[in-house]
Amino acid sequence: DTAVSQTPKYLVTQMGNDKSIKCEQNLGHDTMYWYKQDSKKFLKIMFSYNNKELIINETVPNRFSPKSPDKAHLNLHINSLELGDSAVYFCASSRVPVQGVAEAFFGQGTRLTVV
Amino acid sequence: SQQGEEDPQALSIQEGENATMNCSYKTSINNLQWYRQNSGRGLVHLILIRSNEREKHSGRLRVTLDTSKKSSSLLITASRAADTASYFCATDFNQAGTALIFGKGTTLSVSS
Repeated sequence: DTAVSQTPKYLVTQMGNDKSIKCEQNLGHDTMYWYKQDSKKFLKIMFSYNNKELIINETVPNRFSPKSPDKAHLNLHINSLELGDSAVYFCASSRVPVQGVAEAFFGQGTRLTVV
Repeated sequence: SQQGEEDPQALSIQEGENATMNCSYKTSINNLQWYRQNSGRGLVHLILIRSNEREKHSGRLRVTLDTSKKSSSLLITASRAADTASYFCATDFNQAGTALIFGKGTTLSVSS
């Protein structure tokens, strides 16, 4: 059983389109995250949700909107896609932080290519 | 904002040799974690060391933490070709600890 699953794995789309990436975790975790990894492998936190509530919203364009229908799901919707949005997007989950962030479990990533 | 910096950026060794990667960070932390990322895959947690610990072992992995120098090291002993991957350190902030902040990573190549 996959602990954190993302769909799709690959996404190729044209500039200006709107797309969504879905994420589900079956670990019973209350905290979920979205990270963006650029071409130089730099991982940047985008959003952090704790029990469906937005905790962190880093400097991310408001074209990016996370949605958490329940604590097992955190989807990422992107409006008006731009070339610079091309990257690998990772969903992750962890237990609620107690004395620091716990071990995070990552999905396999979604490689988004905007053409 | 980036918290951790790994050093070196890239490391090439032969099977059987030891690999050492270093991580420096900027602010006080609750814990520090190391992750591995194989090419085209997601990150996998390797080890977590708390701010009040100085050393931790897990199989062929040894992690040290020096909070006075704000640095950590990951040692992989007796490297194997399967250890070829990128390795990242990650820290949280010594407050709410709401997310992991990753360094730029070290790319390790182990040749047989």
